[in-house]
Amino acid sequence: DTAVSQTPKYLVTQMGNDKSIKCEQNLGHDTMYWYKQDSKKFLKIMFSYNNKELIINETVPNRFSPKSPDKAHLNLHINSLELGDSAVYFCASSQGLAGAGPETQYFGPGTRLLVL
Amino acid sequence: AQKVTQAQTEISVVEKEDVTLDCVYETRDTTYYLFWYKQPPSGELVFLIRRNSFDEQNEISGRYSWNFQKSTSSFNFTITASQVVDSAVYFCALTPGYSSASKIIFGSGTRLSIRP
Repeated sequence: DTAVSQTPKYLVTQMGNDKSIKCEQNLGHDTMYWYKQDSKKFLKIMFSYNNKELIINETVPNRFSPKSPDKAHLNLHINSLELGDSAVYFCASSQGLAGAGPETQYFGPGTRLLVL
Repeated sequence: AQKVTQAQTEISVVEKEDVTLDCVYETRDTTYYLFWYKQPPSGELVFLIRRNSFDEQNEISGRYSWNFQKSTSSFNFTITASQVVDSAVYFCALTPGYSSASKIIFGSGTRLSIRP
């Protein structure tokens, strides 16, 4: 009954590999996000989707490609992984009611990615 | 420019002491939202509070209280009678504008350690 879930929780992989992280929310929210938290705990947004449409795309290498098959899922695919991609990746979701102002974002448990 | 500053990198207090975490923000928007999130050692991000720019009333929730002052662009967080379980990294955050799906701009976090 987890509100925002992510799989896997831990991901250890070699440089150059391609990997995916999955996110699902059962809150009925319209908007989903991906954030990256680096080793110094700094959190920065990467992408946001509203009803399967990309609405925020920060300066992120195009090796990162989000995919939203439906509004309850937002997956993150990373090609050609590099050492600097090692971080914790958080998925989040919010209600996103039009005209309601920024809604509270609820975060998943995070995926700890280590690139060797 | 949108920015959130948490000048206190680390704070350590003895249990039962009161502690205040400082947060100063910058934004040119007249409408914005402020948040506090808690990240305990287990790593998840827990939502604590959301406050819009038109509501300067202070808020109290149990041992937690928040002081929002637009005149000084501050949104400080006080924990009264701190407990060991309060040990975590606390993030102050800002969502500028009035879009229903906006990115969160996080501060760098304050690591709070409560000693028994």
